[in-house]
Amino acid sequence: AQSVTQPDIHITVSEGASLELRCNYSYGATPYLFWYVQSPGQGLQLLLKYFSGDTLVQGIKGFEAEFKRSQSSFNLRKPSVHWSDAAEYFCAVAPPLTGGGNKLTFGTGTQLKVEL
Amino acid sequence: NAGVTQTPKFQVLKTGQSMTLQCAQDMNHNSMYWYRQDPGMGLRLIYYSASEGTTDKGEVPNGYNVSRLNKREFSLRLESAAPSQTSVYFCASSEIRASGNTIYFGEGSWLTVV
Repeated sequence: AQSVTQPDIHITVSEGASLELRCNYSYGATPYLFWYVQSPGQGLQLLLKYFSGDTLVQGIKGFEAEFKRSQSSFNLRKPSVHWSDAAEYFCAVAPPLTGGGNKLTFGTGTQLKVEL
Repeated sequence: NAGVTQTPKFQVLKTGQSMTLQCAQDMNHNSMYWYRQDPGMGLRLIYYSASEGTTDKGEVPNGYNVSRLNKREFSLRLESAAPSQTSVYFCASSEIRASGNTIYFGEGSWLTVV
């Protein structure tokens, strides 16, 4: 069964500092990989996704993520954090599929706090 | 451009009461999902529907039933609510493409069972 680990429950960074959120997955083949962001009281917004091809993926709001097959990782990065980035971030995986439903498995999330 | 719409947004139930969460999507997606979100546990799949007319259990189906009413609508029913079902529920939908697909989420339904 697929699984996702986000080892950091909480992270605090200063505004303007760089950010890296870690995500490791367990799956037999290369899955589809996603990062979602959730602001308090809101739904989930897709930041970026990896299906195949270039292992460095650009997303919205200045975020990027790098897929490393050898490390089974898909870490999220941002060069300079803004106060509005404070939110909870979820990594998710889904099996590459040929049909049927595509079921996401989520990590437990990383809560990001930004200090001004 | 509504996307995925869930109702109600907030609900308080007494133990043993029943209720149905409604979900509709206007993106013509084949697949729809219900997740629940609990603190420290991320989102867990309750049920999903790969296509109209099919439903399957996810990770945490006990205490729930679903109906895929048509291609647009996918409802989640709690027949006899329990305090353990206090959670935030998210409906989602996706299209299946050979090049990969993106799953879109509704804004959530906050359910409290007392």
